[in-house]
Amino acid sequence: KAGVTQTPRYLIKTRGQQVTLSCSPISGHRSVSWYQQTPGQGLQFLFEYFSETQRNKGNFPGRFSGRQFSNSRSEMNVSTLELGDSALYLCASSGDVNEKLFFGSGTQLSVL
Amino acid sequence: GESVGLHLPTLSVQEGDNSIINCAYSNSASDYFIWYKQESGKGPQFIIDIRSNMDKRQGQRVTVLLNKTVKHLSLQIAATQPGDSAVYFCAEKAGTALIFGKGTTLSVSS
Repeated sequence: KAGVTQTPRYLIKTRGQQVTLSCSPISGHRSVSWYQQTPGQGLQFLFEYFSETQRNKGNFPGRFSGRQFSNSRSEMNVSTLELGDSALYLCASSGDVNEKLFFGSGTQLSVL
Repeated sequence: GESVGLHLPTLSVQEGDNSIINCAYSNSASDYFIWYKQESGKGPQFIIDIRSNMDKRQGQRVTVLLNKTVKHLSLQIAATQPGDSAVYFCAEKAGTALIFGKGTTLSVSS
């Protein structure tokens, strides 16, 4: 079974731009979560989707948004990029809320 | 808000030793805990999980202990190998979100 796939692997943007990151979960998994990882703040929860519905959201500004498609693939979007948005963005999938999360390798976003 | 934390940011051991990585959590209502391993350039990799109705769970070379009285979680790695060198995170499940600790960097020297 293929693991969680995230694209692109690396991304360089400038302040003020917007970016879209993509995640394909493990086949059969309907829950997709997004996390931001930085050296200072560690791993922080962004949001979680299940069957195209956002079920949970972390404490991030509205510039961070996401969506899930009918095939469970998910995208997250960050608008009006700031330098502080530079981070590793990780996607994780699971079968449902009480099951373990499996992570992708992440998208490393650098904002210049 | 409540968060999961780790006692030590770094741990250095010799190959073949047993390693113990500790974690303290603050949410007494948490009922599911997971340990992850993260190697450089990769996403967190699932190691082992435990639910609050258990005190101990064993996997291959790893054991997780849960002490709900003092809200403490530990990961024991037997016969530590150089390939075990990584950052280890504990996490507690809060609804559909995982709350991660800061991580412990395990360095194994041969």
